[in-house]
Amino acid sequence: SQQGEEDPQALSIQEGENATMNCSYKTSINNLQWYRQNSGRGLVHLILIRSNEREKHSGRLRVTLDTSKKSSSLLITASRAADTASYFCVPKGGFKTIFGAGTRLFVKA
Amino acid sequence: EPEVTQTPSHQVTQMGQEVILRCVPISNHLYFYWYRQILGQKVEFLVSFYNNEISEKSEIFDDQFSVERPDGSNFTLKIRSTKLEDSAMYFCASSLVGGLTDTQYFGPGTRLTVL
Repeated sequence: SQQGEEDPQALSIQEGENATMNCSYKTSINNLQWYRQNSGRGLVHLILIRSNEREKHSGRLRVTLDTSKKSSSLLITASRAADTASYFCVPKGGFKTIFGAGTRLFVKA
Repeated sequence: EPEVTQTPSHQVTQMGQEVILRCVPISNHLYFYWYRQILGQKVEFLVSFYNNEISEKSEIFDDQFSVERPDGSNFTLKIRSTKLEDSAMYFCASSLVGGLTDTQYFGPGTRLTVL
């Protein structure tokens, strides 16, 4: 299956702390993407990391990719209440975009 | 910033009725998608559409579903005879590039309630 599996299922932190979410997948990939979904709303594309990249930054986001372990991590630094959302990794080995169950992040003000 | 829009935001229908969910993708995008999310569950891929034809569909997308791009701006999902289990949020998305490196932009969704 091309689906990613996010871990933990849920994460609760204080505002200002860092949040780390992990993703594991089973197939070989061209790239891996992270999306965010605020409660019941549409998804927002956050970042794409290619299979030949090991780390990528975008603002307060830092993504790592280890293709030998078939895993990725998303780090959100200095979290804010507005970061409260579900986060999904999408390993792209084929054309379909398949979403897993996600990590539900709750940032307490 | 350009965005994907969807109408209506909430649709209530009786079981067996036909519904059409509408989407206006970002204007220069070429690839279009529909997803659904049953309350509390995963976002599920339904169909992708490019060059006026379906490029991929999931097993959920059976004969009761159809998609159309009737003009240069709208992208619609029709459900022919709705069932109770069709109640869900339906999300439209579009991307400039398709395939492996697509970055999909999602609309806010239409909540479909089938009674």
